[in-house]
Amino acid sequence: NAGVMQNPRHLVRRRGQEARLRCSPMKGHSHVYWYRQLPEEGLKFMVYLQKENIIDESGMPKERFSAEFPKEGPSILRIQQVVRGDSAAYFCASSPRARSQTNTEAFFGQGTRLTVV
Amino acid sequence: GQQLNQSPQSMFIQEGEDVSMNCTSSSIFNTWLWYKQDPGEGPVLLIALYKAGELTSNGRLTAQFGITRKDSFLNISASIPSDVGIYFCAGLFNDMRFGAGTRLTVKP
Repeated sequence: NAGVMQNPRHLVRRRGQEARLRCSPMKGHSHVYWYRQLPEEGLKFMVYLQKENIIDESGMPKERFSAEFPKEGPSILRIQQVVRGDSAAYFCASSPRARSQTNTEAFFGQGTRLTVV
Repeated sequence: GQQLNQSPQSMFIQEGEDVSMNCTSSSIFNTWLWYKQDPGEGPVLLIALYKAGELTSNGRLTAQFGITRKDSFLNISASIPSDVGIYFCAGLFNDMRFGAGTRLTVKP
């Protein structure tokens, strides 16, 4: 059973370009979280999605950032018109159950390291 | 939502020593998770706790879900050099929030 797969592992974008980060959850998992991590810092929540639905996007910047988790295919975190401050590691985690349910757990991918030059 | 309060921020210990770290919150959770992150990698799940008062072990690691559902601790016994890394707690209920991490350094 493959783990959470994120690609690309490393992404370099020039200022103003778009960045697309992909996350394929573990088999059977229908819940996905996206987190952002700056060097030497913790994980900052961005968005929580269930298949075809955004459940909680309270951590997402209001502009330029969007996320989706379609019925088929990976979850996508999209950053438009990237700026230097978007440089960070972006991690996704997948879970088989909703975060409010008991006996749930979340597994992380290896992250995408975005560098904006 | 608020981040969890995780302490200590960092620890420098000698190989063979025991380690203890904890997380507290003003909110209650129905699940506590503990992760370890190595440089350049994603967090790896170490232990999951589902019931208040639950004490769970995974090798040299032991974690407990606090009775009040607002805290959890992680102990590492007889530390070894490969325990080096950043340890994160996470609480789940209406959201999944993380502590800021405990950076562990083990001196051989």
